[in-house]
Amino acid sequence: KNEVEQSPQNLTAQEGEFITINCSYSVGISALHWLQQHPGGGIVSLFMLSSGKKKHGRLIATINIQEKHSSLHITASHPRDSAVYICAVRFGNDMRFGAGTRLTVKP
Amino acid sequence: GAGVSQSPSNKVTEKGKDVELRCDPISGHTALYWYRQSLGQGLEFLIYFQGNSAPDKSGLPSDRFSAERTGGSVSTLTIQRTQQEDSAVYLCASSFQGQGIDTQYFGPGTRLTVL
Repeated sequence: KNEVEQSPQNLTAQEGEFITINCSYSVGISALHWLQQHPGGGIVSLFMLSSGKKKHGRLIATINIQEKHSSLHITASHPRDSAVYICAVRFGNDMRFGAGTRLTVKP
Repeated sequence: GAGVSQSPSNKVTEKGKDVELRCDPISGHTALYWYRQSLGQGLEFLIYFQGNSAPDKSGLPSDRFSAERTGGSVSTLTIQRTQQEDSAVYLCASSFQGQGIDTQYFGPGTRLTVL
C-alpha cells in the first residue's frame, strides 16, 4: 500500500468550477507539499504545509494532521490549471509521492 | 534570478554504458534532491544532500547509482552500466533549508533513454 494516496486519479471540470483534490497519508510527517506538473513536464511547488491552511491566488491548501489528510482547492478553475497535481510528504529521511491527479479544465 | 538548471536536457545511451547527469541548484540553497519519474509512473526519491553532511542515499535503486555534490553546489548523478529500466526523467530540486520542510524548486529534468 502506498503511503500517500491521492483522489481522484483523473478529474475533468468545466471552466469556473470549484475543484478539490484529496491526499491521505498513513504515517507521521513533518511537512506536506503540493506540486503542479504541466504537460511539458516542468514541476512547480505550489504549497508546503505543516499545519492549517495556505492560500495563493485561486489556490487553497489545507491539512489536518490528526486525520492525516490534505486537500488542494482551486476556485474559479481555468483551462490553464490543467496539469497533474502531486501530493508529497516528508517520510522518514525521504520524500514519498502520491500518484498524482490529472486535472483537465475545459473551456 | 536563475532557477535550477540541469544538463543535458536529453540523453540517449546504449545499454551498459555509463551516464552522468548534472544539476546546478539555485545559489545559496543548502539542500539538493534527485528524483526520477519513469514513463507513466509517479515521482520517486533518489538521494538528498544537505549542506556538507553525508547524503541520504536511501532512495537509490541499486549500487549502479551514485551521486556527489562538489563544494555544496553542483551535483552529478552517475548511473553505471545503464539498463533499459533506467529510462526515465531525472529531476533535481533545491531548497534553502532542506529536510523536506521548505519549498523545493525543480529543474527542467534530464530525459534519459537507454536503448
